[in-house]
Amino acid sequence: AQKITQTQPGMFVQEKEAVTLDCTYDTSDPSYGLFWYKQPSSGEMIFLIYQGSYDQQNATEGRYSLNFQKARKSANLVISASQLGDSAMYFCAMRERGGGNKLTFGTGTQLKVEL
Amino acid sequence: DGGITQSPKYLFRKEGQNVTLSCEQNLNHDAMYWYRQDPGQGLRLIYYSQIVNDFQKGDIAEGYSVSREKKESFPLTVTSAQKNPTAFYLCASSTADSFNQPQHFGDGTRLSIL
Repeated sequence: AQKITQTQPGMFVQEKEAVTLDCTYDTSDPSYGLFWYKQPSSGEMIFLIYQGSYDQQNATEGRYSLNFQKARKSANLVISASQLGDSAMYFCAMRERGGGNKLTFGTGTQLKVEL
Repeated sequence: DGGITQSPKYLFRKEGQNVTLSCEQNLNHDAMYWYRQDPGQGLRLIYYSQIVNDFQKGDIAEGYSVSREKKESFPLTVTSAQKNPTAFYLCASSTADSFNQPQHFGDGTRLSIL
């Protein structure tokens, strides 16, 4: 079974609008962390935001926030006030406590911000 | 500035040839990783190392080899046994004991077959 599932291969959003990128995960480890990365067309991976499985509040970092629903095993990324520079590939990844420092990545969502 | 340097940016391999991708970090991180990314796909772990002189296979280690002789360096060799090496290769590093700390990535190397 896929450990990280991103069901939206591509998304479009208008500039200044908010957009939600979906991520569901599968683990039996009670201690885990979820990461979101942005990959522009140049290829580098840019860390955006982190959510721990025991965190009581949803993580926020500037225009990025995580809609963390533990019972549903989902960790959706919300980007508010989209900008043209947000056009990129977005990856959700999970680290399990029992898995050492390894990250498991989803297949990504290509986001295109339009005028 | 602290960061991860991967070289070369582009690399071409002839049939039957081994090639080595360089990864150097000055973040003082103990752990280092190699990932492969195919078009439209996520990252898959090839090898990782938690400490100098020790490394473990990831999910797709066949046809690859690594060494970790220095904390700063984690080169990846793509051997002739890797029949489909064309991909984008990313190196990353992280602290070994901070569960909530992200991995930091280099800019990647694009490998193609001639």
